[in-house]
Amino acid sequence: DAKTTQPNSMESNEEEPVHLPCNHSTISGTDYIHWYRQLPSQGPEYVIHGLTSNVNNRMASLAIAEDRKSSTLILHRATLRDAAVYYCILRDFRIYQSGNTPLVFGKGTRLSVIA
Amino acid sequence: DTAVSQTPKYLVTQMGNDKSIKCEQNLGHDTMYWYKQDSKKFLKIMFSYNNKELIINETVPNRFSPKSPDKAHLNLHINSLELGDSAVYFCASSHDVRGDSYEQYFGPGTRLTVT
Repeated sequence: DAKTTQPNSMESNEEEPVHLPCNHSTISGTDYIHWYRQLPSQGPEYVIHGLTSNVNNRMASLAIAEDRKSSTLILHRATLRDAAVYYCILRDFRIYQSGNTPLVFGKGTRLSVIA
Repeated sequence: DTAVSQTPKYLVTQMGNDKSIKCEQNLGHDTMYWYKQDSKKFLKIMFSYNNKELIINETVPNRFSPKSPDKAHLNLHINSLELGDSAVYFCASSHDVRGDSYEQYFGPGTRLTVT
């Protein structure tokens, strides 16, 4: 699996935007970029995913570099509830010929939100 | 309604015992997974089942035996528990969709403590 690199931790003030970076210089053409987060004492939850174009949903935005070697998860206004570990994960859907490729988690970025 | 549920939430047992963790999803998904999160917080895939058939078994000791009685359930049975089995175990499910990588939905986790 192609590897991702994320900062160990980041801090943000409440109500401020947060940009969480992820480097994936060995990404292949069939790797989707997925972001999950894990709130304290909970299971991971899906945030967003994309292939080449930038993506927006109700939780966040995903900005993907033109060469796809890096991406940034953007939380537009951080709240205390956004304090979590954020994981950037690459998934090659071709491996198992379906969408049910298991997730390979790295260490992620621990985001702290200050009131 | 809880999408992916696990029982029990906490499990404390002694070395050498046999225990089971149950998982149920009411999302109509085809694929279910077991992940293990150790004390260092690394999340790793253990098993993946698609339509009740095992498709992934990631170098897990054969003391661990998953059982899928139907598409909505994936139980994890562990024989001869060891101290190193202490961890949080997460069940997850996803659609089997070809051509894209769909999100996985995680349960709340089962914290297993072996004494």
